[in-house]
Amino acid sequence: DVKVTQSSRYLVKRTGEKVFLECVQDMDHENMFWYRQDPGLGLRLIYFSYDVKMKEKGDIPEGYSVSREKKERFSLILESASTNQTSMYLCASSPRVGAGDGETQYFGPGTRLLVL
Amino acid sequence: AQSVSQHNHHVILSEAASLELGCNYSYGGTVNLFWYVQYPGQHLQLLLKYFSGDPLVKGIKGFEAEFIKSKFSFNLRKPSVQWSDTAEYFCAVKPLGGQNFVFGPGTRLSVLP
Repeated sequence: DVKVTQSSRYLVKRTGEKVFLECVQDMDHENMFWYRQDPGLGLRLIYFSYDVKMKEKGDIPEGYSVSREKKERFSLILESASTNQTSMYLCASSPRVGAGDGETQYFGPGTRLLVL
Repeated sequence: AQSVSQHNHHVILSEAASLELGCNYSYGGTVNLFWYVQYPGQHLQLLLKYFSGDPLVKGIKGFEAEFIKSKFSFNLRKPSVQWSDTAEYFCAVKPLGGQNFVFGPGTRLSVLP
């Protein structure tokens, strides 16, 4: 079974703090993704990475950065947290394009972040 | 830009009722299609997927979906819902050969016992 884990289920931070969200997958997947999930908006892609040290902006990258130093780990960084970044953050991984399994994405449990 | 729409924001059904959740996408090329489900307090999990072949696909827990290419639709169905089907359902599209998924806004299903 694919397992995607996220470092925290719940986080409370103050405005202006630097926030690190970590994601680890154990299936040797090339692709990893960070989304935020907000009611009525579905999942919106923040950043993704298709290889170590590679990153691509998604639909809403402003205010975020990412790091992928190892294949299994993908970190999301909020450089200076703001109240509008209060949300549920989901990490996902998938095999590379053409690898089979239809490139299905597998999700972690999510981190619910509250910025005060 | 690609987009995915889901017809209903919130659906309320009684147990044993039939379910159909609508999903339409806008993309001119070949796509892979997915339905994901998120049960209360749990992570998103794959319900079913379509890549090619028979446009009627069966998933877990008695769900099925039909791909109608001419309508750019991928509707989710279940003949008889149970209380345990209460969840949020997301339709997603991935262009063939592309890296990224595009998710719909989700439909919340509440099944009354």
